[in-house]
Amino acid sequence: SQKIEQNSEALNIQEGKTATLTCNYTNYSPAYLQWYRQDPGRGPVFLLLIRENEKEKRKERLKVTFDTTLKQSLFHITASQPADSATYLCALGGRAGFQKLVFGTGTRLLVSP
Amino acid sequence: DTGVSQDPRHKITKRGQNVTFRCDPISEHNRLYWYRQTLGQGPEFLTYFQNEAQLEKSRLLSDRFSAERPKGSFSTLEIQRTEQGDSAMYLCASSIWTGGRTNEKLFFGSGTQLSVL
Repeated sequence: SQKIEQNSEALNIQEGKTATLTCNYTNYSPAYLQWYRQDPGRGPVFLLLIRENEKEKRKERLKVTFDTTLKQSLFHITASQPADSATYLCALGGRAGFQKLVFGTGTRLLVSP
Repeated sequence: DTGVSQDPRHKITKRGQNVTFRCDPISEHNRLYWYRQTLGQGPEFLTYFQNEAQLEKSRLLSDRFSAERPKGSFSTLEIQRTEQGDSAMYLCASSIWTGGRTNEKLFFGSGTQLSVL
């Protein structure tokens, strides 16, 4: 069955360091992969999209990589700040006949001052 | 800029009662999705509409659940004979679908938190 795995344990890092979150998937060939941020009691907010033919995408302090051979995406936040503390979700989708986004369980990031 | 709006934000009900949630998507968005999320989990897909047509329903959506999107605008999600296992956050999202490969990204509302006692 299709599975999307993200670290279930919270990631604790110090302010200024780079946070790296992992998303692994099995039995699926997504056309694209997306990352969302979710704060407690709120809906997810879109951050970045990377297509299957792209290796890397950047947006300000965010960087996403996508390795379709390893079936893995890495999400990096450089120069992390306490305001980056949230849950980060990866989501796969876009293949014809499988239009909806399928989400991973999310990884909680805690950035301490 | 009016984002996706959901009503109510919180709903407490007794087991066996019926509940209805409303979602108002971003006005120019033609796709509307319903997801369910429990604590510590990611959103789980329930159903989605393209305009007024319901294109897909998850196996999670039992016959107690029904969703509508009359006239392709707002949507309602009804749960009949609620059970304690229905307690969750119900999220609505909308997007623009232009066909083929797209940059489809979802805009979520803040959700309706349902508690079934």
